[in-house]
Amino acid sequence: QKEVEQDPGPLSVPEGAIVSLNCTYSNSAFQYFMWYRQYSRKGPELLMYTYSSGNKEDGRFTAQVDKSSKYISLFIRDSQPSDSATYLCAMKRGGSEKLVFGKGTKLTVNP
Amino acid sequence: KAGVTQTPRYLIKTRGQQVTLSCSPISGHRSVSWYQQTPGQGLQFLFEYFSETQRNKGNFPGRFSGRQFSNSRSEMNVSTLELGDSALYLCASSLEGQVNEQFFGPGTRLTVL
Repeated sequence: QKEVEQDPGPLSVPEGAIVSLNCTYSNSAFQYFMWYRQYSRKGPELLMYTYSSGNKEDGRFTAQVDKSSKYISLFIRDSQPSDSATYLCAMKRGGSEKLVFGKGTKLTVNP
Repeated sequence: KAGVTQTPRYLIKTRGQQVTLSCSPISGHRSVSWYQQTPGQGLQFLFEYFSETQRNKGNFPGRFSGRQFSNSRSEMNVSTLELGDSALYLCASSLEGQVNEQFFGPGTRLTVL
């Protein structure tokens, strides 16, 4: 079993839809959880990070962490065509500098 | 503030050759990490350097090596290239102790023929 599992999609939604992206993980030692966005032929760009459980909101983006279920989510409200990209979850243990990534979910928002 | 830069952006090599990739971190960032990204395996951690010392290493063979210079610039080297080494190699930098806020470069696309 991989440490981090992420459905690769692809996911296609109409403009304005609410998008839900998810990852599950097996290592209970993970404490920091990140979401990256990667456009084609670009490096990943950090969207949000959270520590331990809870929610964090930034504009149209909301990140949720449920450590009891080992499940994290990213919600995108009022999705835009410019949100079309691959979304990667990443996580790390406290005291470690190593990030473990999911394989990414490819999202297309259709105008 | 300039972002992370990587050179070259594209490389084509043949099996058995070696290659050196370069990464310049964001000014003030002393931690540099390297990742390999492939469609099949996704993003996989190679190694992380801080103050010219390798602090963490992923599960890659010894053909993959790296180093960091006193100005925090980093290089990674792959010797005896194999077809399976074809990938996007990404470098990321961060402030000390803030790897949860890593900033990635655009990557070097390596093709091994």
